[in-house]
Amino acid sequence: QPVLTQPPSSSASPGESARLTCTLRSDINVRNYNIYWYQQKPGSPPRYLLYYYSDSDKGQGSGVPSRFSGSKDASANAGILLISGLQSEDEADYYCVIWPRNAWVFGGGTKLTVL
Amino acid sequence: EVQLVESGGVVVQPGGSLRLSCAGSGFTFDDYAMYWVRQAPGKGLEWVSLISWNGRDTSYADSVKGRFTISRDNSKHSLYLQMNSLRSEDTALYYCAKSASVSIPPDYWGQGTLVTVSS
Repeated sequence: QPVLTQPPSSSASPGESARLTCTLRSDINVRNYNIYWYQQKPGSPPRYLLYYYSDSDKGQGSGVPSRFSGSKDASANAGILLISGLQSEDEADYYCVIWPRNAWVFGGGTKLTVL
Repeated sequence: EVQLVESGGVVVQPGGSLRLSCAGSGFTFDDYAMYWVRQAPGKGLEWVSLISWNGRDTSYADSVKGRFTISRDNSKHSLYLQMNSLRSEDTALYYCAKSASVSIPPDYWGQGTLVTVSS
């Protein structure tokens, strides 16, 4: 079972919100980890968006709009990236990443389509 | 302006060796940990290796451990990746990236250099 599982695709309409999930393997508790998120558009390197540990321990990447935010769903053992007020420019691949056991692990990525 | 420019990517035969370089500018190079992350064509991101600001701490993904070696020369503002015993599955775009610490993932990435392992 992969360490991090992301749905391959997601879609939403402009102005709506998109909720992207990153589910941790059952032996890795999301409560114990910073969840980092990246955005990647075709032909470009990844762009750092934010990290989330808790409501009191989180951080936004430089220049990243506040409509990108992170959270956790402990019951689902998952990290969440919420994008509100979707814009066409938000269409991209989104990756989560964590640091379990001295190795960085990326999720497989979610392709977000803005309809 | 922060710049990371990778070079050295070519077509190489299986079993061959290659050395990638990354030149950093626009920031204090020796204040930052540095990473290599790769992306196979049409696939997701895979962390490869990291090195601390002073080069004393390094770490590798299991998939490259024993075959790849990361190093840096702070006097030249440069990062390197020596790749030996290359396999077809090493074919990827290799990104150089910087981070404030080895315990924080990168905040800025270069454009990447393409390595193709093929006979």
